[in-house]
Amino acid sequence: SQQGEEDPQALSIQEGENATMNCSYKTSINNLQWYRQNSGRGLVHLILIRSNEREKHSGRLRVTLDTSKKSSSLLITASRAADTASYFCARDNQGGKLIFGQGTELSVKP
Amino acid sequence: KAGVTQTPRYLIKTRGQQVTLSCSPISGHRSVSWYQQTPGQGLQFLFEYFSETQRNKGNFPGRFSGRQFSNSRSEMNVSTLELGDSALYLCASSPGQGYTGELFFGEGSRLTVL
Repeated sequence: SQQGEEDPQALSIQEGENATMNCSYKTSINNLQWYRQNSGRGLVHLILIRSNEREKHSGRLRVTLDTSKKSSSLLITASRAADTASYFCARDNQGGKLIFGQGTELSVKP
Repeated sequence: KAGVTQTPRYLIKTRGQQVTLSCSPISGHRSVSWYQQTPGQGLQFLFEYFSETQRNKGNFPGRFSGRQFSNSRSEMNVSTLELGDSALYLCASSPGQGYTGELFFGEGSRLTVL
């Protein structure tokens, strides 16, 4: 399959804890993107990291990229109940065509 | 600026029927792509259009087709519906050629095939 793999498939934590999600892929990338989806609704873009970048921050989000291992991780610090959602990594392939991972379902308990 | 608009949001069809879904991209965006999301297969790329031309196509049967109009609005059509076509169909827009940034997604059209 072209799709990347994400782990864990599901993650349950308490408010205030950090959540880490991992993504692996098989081929070279232009960039790797992370999206969030609430309960079967549309995807919301969170952060994009380009192949020549190693780390990127946006608010409580931190993304790392290791192109030698073909892997990326998303860290959400100080999680809130409102962070409960599914998170997907997506490999940019040919611009406009994203290859998505299977997603991590995050549950943050108040 | 209005976001990506997809219509209808929900629809129910029976096997053998056909369905047309519509997507209006963000104003000024010229590229529209479509994705199918199912519990079993996840998010899968269907096709992408730019300036009324299909640039990329995913691995779906010919029953799935699409088009883009001169105002960048796009439609996708699924003919001879099967139970397995039940899914959330997501449309995304982006500025266009040479762009390598984020995609902007609509809320999706949820299709149920009975």
